[in-house]
Formats: sequence, C-alpha cells, structure tokens
Amino acid sequence: DGGITQSPKYLFRKEGQNVTLSCEQNLNHDAMYWYRQDPGQGLRLIYYSQIVNDFQKGDIAEGYSVSREKKESFPLTVTSAQKNPTAFYLCASSILGGNTGELFFGEGSRLTVL
Amino acid sequence: GQQLNQSPQSMFIQEGEDVSMNCTSSSIFNTWLWYKQDPGEGPVLLIALYKAGELTSNGRLTAQFGITRKDSFLNISASIPSDVGIYFCAGPPEYNNNDMRFGAGTRLTVKP
Repeated sequence: DGGITQSPKYLFRKEGQNVTLSCEQNLNHDAMYWYRQDPGQGLRLIYYSQIVNDFQKGDIAEGYSVSREKKESFPLTVTSAQKNPTAFYLCASSILGGNTGELFFGEGSRLTVL
Repeated sequence: GQQLNQSPQSMFIQEGEDVSMNCTSSSIFNTWLWYKQDPGEGPVLLIALYKAGELTSNGRLTAQFGITRKDSFLNISASIPSDVGIYFCAGPPEYNNNDMRFGAGTRLTVKP
C-alpha cells in the first residue's frame, strides 16, 4: 500500500547527541515536509523540499538539518544545537510542487531527550 | 510566522451532540484544509475547500470556506466516541502558496 513511513516511532537521546529521523514515501510525491508538534500548539514547519537535492528552511530550522538525495526519502537530523528537541515530529508529502495541495502525513516520531 | 487562530481550544461534549469549531486569519487564504489527529498518530485529511463560500460534507462532517476567505468552519453532527481527537485547520495564505499554516487545534472529548 502507498503511504509515508516514519521511523523510529519512539526515540530517546542523551543531551549532546545527534539523531536522525527517517521518512520514506512511495506515493511518488514531489514535495516533502518536516513539522514539529508541541502540546497545545499547531504544527510548525522545520524544512521542506519540493525537488530532489533542494530544500528550504521553515520557521524553526535552527538546530535541524535535512537532505533530499532521493525523491522517496527526506531524513531529518536533530543536532545537538537544537536546545529543546523533545517533541513529536511529523513528516508529510504532497502531490503538488508548491504547498497548496493536501498533505499526507506519516505516523510521527516522538523524540525524548534524557 | 503567522498562525491561524482556531477555537475553541478544547471541547467536552456528550455523545449525540453537534460540534462546531472555526478558524480565522488576518490574511486571505486560497485553500482551507481540515485534519483530524488521533493520539500518537499523524493527522489525516477530512475535508479540503478551494473556493470562497464552498460548503463540503464528508459523512457527518461539514466544512465551509468563508466568504471573506479569512475563515473556515467545521461542524460535526451527532458526535460519536470515535470522533475524539484533535482537529486542525490548515491552509496556505494567498501571499505565499508555499507556506502551509496550521491552527493550534481543537481537542474534542466525547462522553458516552
């Protein structure tokens, strides 16, 4: 079945460590996105990519990095520079190259920093 | 960046009651999307609206794209326990189609 797969679902990290969250889609979507979700807040955009080998910063890109080497994959690295990384991270994709279309979300990855 | 103003923040209702929530912005939107998120899962699209004044239904759910293009409403009729979750409005403002914005969500609790 087509969809978006995020892994791991749960991740624990010690302070000072980098971690990478995986996002894979087999929907043949051009655009992919990473959002951060904190309790009581809407989803905030970290990075997005409309095409392979190109990506743009969102509102809260500091402390995060991404790559888009393949159309299907858009991994997110949470670096040690991110001061408050504990959150629920959501990956999404859309058909349109722009951001006017519907977003299809993965099931999320919950990162906890110990 | 600008976020959407979604209200109410939470609702506690009895099974069978109707529910109404809304989303407003100071900017004009070309698209309004309504998502539902179950605990520990990613949001799932419920309804998409693309034209001012548009009224669209999906089962017991009805959403409308406001005439001013600065607001949208979602109604749920005859609520059931599985309606529990967080409902988000979303959309890109007219001034930047590459910028999908989300409301803070309405957390719905349905008591049997």
